Amino acid sequence: DTGVSQDPRHKITKRGQNVTFRCDPISEHNRLYWYRQTLGQGPEFLTYFQNEAQLEKSRLLSDRFSAERPKGSFSTLEIQRTEQGDSAMYLCASSYQGPYSYEQYFGPGTRLTVT
Amino acid sequence: KNEVEQSPQNLTAQEGEFITINCSYSVGISALHWLQQHPGGGIVSLFMLSSGKKKHGRLIATINIQEKHSSLHITASHPRDSAVYICAVGVQGAQKLVFGQGTRLTINP
Repeated sequence: DTGVSQDPRHKITKRGQNVTFRCDPISEHNRLYWYRQTLGQGPEFLTYFQNEAQLEKSRLLSDRFSAERPKGSFSTLEIQRTEQGDSAMYLCASSYQGPYSYEQYFGPGTRLTVT
Repeated sequence: KNEVEQSPQNLTAQEGEFITINCSYSVGISALHWLQQHPGGGIVSLFMLSSGKKKHGRLIATINIQEKHSSLHITASHPRDSAVYICAVGVQGAQKLVFGQGTRLTINP
């Protein structure tokens, strides 16, 4: 399977714990995006990388959230001291930022439940 | 007011009906995307368009740049079309997508 993959698919954690999610983009894609989707809403942008550089962060991304893409391939999203409001689906997408196409390909998402 | 508004939020129809979902946006865009999301979360890109009309099977997407409006049509709808359909725009000068709230479509047999 050469699509975008995310791990884990589901995570249940207790309030106050730290969690880390991983995203593996399509291999030739240089852009990687993180989105968050709460129940009944459309996704909201969190951050994106071009290669290993994090180029934009939403104000939704509080200081408890950190994202990395150390070698310009996979990315991790860490949430420290989780709160119940962090419960959501975390979606990763990748794209090739060439001159003609920036269609984003989405992973299956990681559903986080904070109890 | 959201930058991307979809209507209706929920739509139930009988198999075989012609379906229209609308999307209006208030920002300058580089492209507009129609996405499909099935229960369980996976999102599939249906169309990316910046002008005119695109067709793929029973799905048709149109965009009117002057009116900042797009429509997604499904002809001869089928229960397997039941999903959430999301409109998203690539904001001009930015590198992110802004999403509508989605339209939950249910097609009954």
